[in-house]
Amino acid sequence: KQEVTQIPAALSVPEGENLVLNCSFTDSAIYNLQWFRQDPGKGLTSLLLIQSSQREQTSGRLNASLDKSSGRSTLYIAASQPGDSATYLCAADNYGQNFVFGPGTRLSVLP
Amino acid sequence: DAGVTQSPTHLIKTRGQQVTLRCSPKSGHDTVSWYQQALGQGPQFIFQYYEEEERQRGNFPDRFSGHQFPNYSSELNVNALLLGDSALYLCASRVGDQPQHFGDGTRLSIL
Repeated sequence: KQEVTQIPAALSVPEGENLVLNCSFTDSAIYNLQWFRQDPGKGLTSLLLIQSSQREQTSGRLNASLDKSSGRSTLYIAASQPGDSATYLCAADNYGQNFVFGPGTRLSVLP
Repeated sequence: DAGVTQSPTHLIKTRGQQVTLRCSPKSGHDTVSWYQQALGQGPQFIFQYYEEEERQRGNFPDRFSGHQFPNYSSELNVNALLLGDSALYLCASRVGDQPQHFGDGTRLSIL
């Protein structure tokens, strides 16, 4: 059974800092790994998707890496801004059937 | 191009009642999944529908049932509501192995 964990559970940083969010999964036989952002009371916004054959994906200030052999993915946010404050969730896709989500990392970027 | 739409946005019910939540997938998507997200936790997979059939189911009791219509829209039904069913219910759609897209969810409160 796939289990996904995320550390830290919460993070508070001053504006402008670079930061790394961590995601670990127990079953390396995943189809892809996806990172989402969730604002309070809202749904999920997809940030980056990494296919199992890929090592990383980049979008603007965001970079996500995937190491299937070690069961880890990281989300790197460069030059953080107050607007980045949200909960960040990673999800392991079990061969296109369903996602197993981590509990999320709650990020606060202070002005 | 409309994304995933869910209705209603908020709902208040009492214990023992029944509820129906609705989801219209993103245009071109044929697969719909439902997730339950309790406060402060990551979403939990309920079930997935494809070609009007339940293709996979998570660890949820039979009180949770669903349906997919020929136009790919979907309903989630919950019978005999419990206080613990209070959560944000998220619908996601996809086609093939493309990324899932999520709606904004239905906030269900049980009194």
